[in-house]
Amino acid sequence: EDKVVQSPLSLVVHEGDTVTLNCSYEVTNFRSLLWYKQEKKAPTFLFMLTSSGIEKKSGRLSSILDKKELSSILNITATQTGDSAIYLCAVETGTASKLTFGTGTRLQVTL
Amino acid sequence: GAVVSQHPSRVICKSGTSVKIECRSLDFQATTMFWYRQFPKQSLMLMATSNEGSKATYEQGVEKDKFLINHASLTLSTLTVTSAHPEDSSFYICSASSGQGFGELFFGEGSRLTVL
Repeated sequence: EDKVVQSPLSLVVHEGDTVTLNCSYEVTNFRSLLWYKQEKKAPTFLFMLTSSGIEKKSGRLSSILDKKELSSILNITATQTGDSAIYLCAVETGTASKLTFGTGTRLQVTL
Repeated sequence: GAVVSQHPSRVICKSGTSVKIECRSLDFQATTMFWYRQFPKQSLMLMATSNEGSKATYEQGVEKDKFLINHASLTLSTLTVTSAHPEDSSFYICSASSGQGFGELFFGEGSRLTVL
């Protein structure tokens, strides 16, 4: 059974801090790893990672995949209160393109 | 960008009734749509994958007779929760793929079902 685990489960930081969210996976037929941000309703797409060691960056967010360690990290620098959300990691597997989501990390950024 | 519309956003029903949730891709043809369920403070759990014109593929542990999925056209998939019970109360989210990979997977806004 495919498994995706995220840590920590929840995190409270002060505005301006840098945070690192972790995602590890045990799946068969890995195709890609994706990060989503979920606020009140539907998840919004952040990154899609397919190649190991290549950092993807968007503003204060960045992410990298390590296929050897079967993991990925999502970094957020200079956090803002608007970064408060649940961050979901998902792994795409198989020819049927199935997505398995991780447990999510609930991030709260306080003033 | 591509938009997926999900309706209704909230529904309250009595135990024993059936509820239909619609998922529409508004500006692209979705060959595949996915239905997820999310319990409070938990992650998205894939329930089923629906392909236009064919039967949905259900994940292990999901009752296909209880959660009826129909993908009648390239822009519409429906999830019907039959004979709903309070334990079916949850947040249901659909997503639609334009076939360009999961970087092009678009989510609906979700439907919160409360069964009294």
